[in-house]
Amino acid sequence: GDSVTQMEGPVTLSEEAFLTINCTYTATGYPSLFWYVQYPGEGLQLLLKATKADDKGSNKGFEATYRKETTSFHLEKGSVQVSDSAVYFCALSSDSWGKLQFGAGTQVVVTP
Amino acid sequence: DAMVIQNPRYQVTQFGKPVTLSCSQTLNHNVMYWYQQKSSQAPKLLFHYYDKDFNNEADTPDNFQSRRPNTSFCFLDIRSPGLGDAAMYLCATSEDSGGYTYEQYFGPGTRLTVT
Repeated sequence: GDSVTQMEGPVTLSEEAFLTINCTYTATGYPSLFWYVQYPGEGLQLLLKATKADDKGSNKGFEATYRKETTSFHLEKGSVQVSDSAVYFCALSSDSWGKLQFGAGTQVVVTP
Repeated sequence: DAMVIQNPRYQVTQFGKPVTLSCSQTLNHNVMYWYQQKSSQAPKLLFHYYDKDFNNEADTPDNFQSRRPNTSFCFLDIRSPGLGDAAMYLCATSEDSGGYTYEQYFGPGTRLTVT
């Protein structure tokens, strides 16, 4: 079955550091890929998405590129802020009705 | 702003006492989902509605039921909550159009405590 593997956290960074969160997936067919962010006590917010190979999703300084050859969708941000502290979930959708398969989530802590 | 609303944000219930969580949406999406999220875990899909068609996940306990009286509202009923049902419950919506389903939009969640 489909699955998503993402790097374990917590990832602790200083403000303005470079952030990478690795995400790899296993799926049949051609899934859509997503990054969701969850701030403490809140629901999930869609951060970015990519629907086909070589697509790059970007939002709020975050980027991720759909790499079919390596089955990866790594999340990057060049300069993090304290407000980026959250849990980040990588997810894929390959069913016709959009069922999401989530990774375990990676907690990111950014210190001043 | 179009959005997904969940009420209440915090719910306390007693062991074995039925509880209902509600979700409403102004996005007019045809698909609605309920997830259970326990501490430090990924959300786990309980069931979803495609229009009025109910789809249960195979491992969702019978203790969990759902109703969708119209496009805008969806309810999660827990018939006899146990201590293990304490969690954040997330509602989400998406639009399926022409066989392509777009991204899911999540509500803020209801945190359920069982005493």
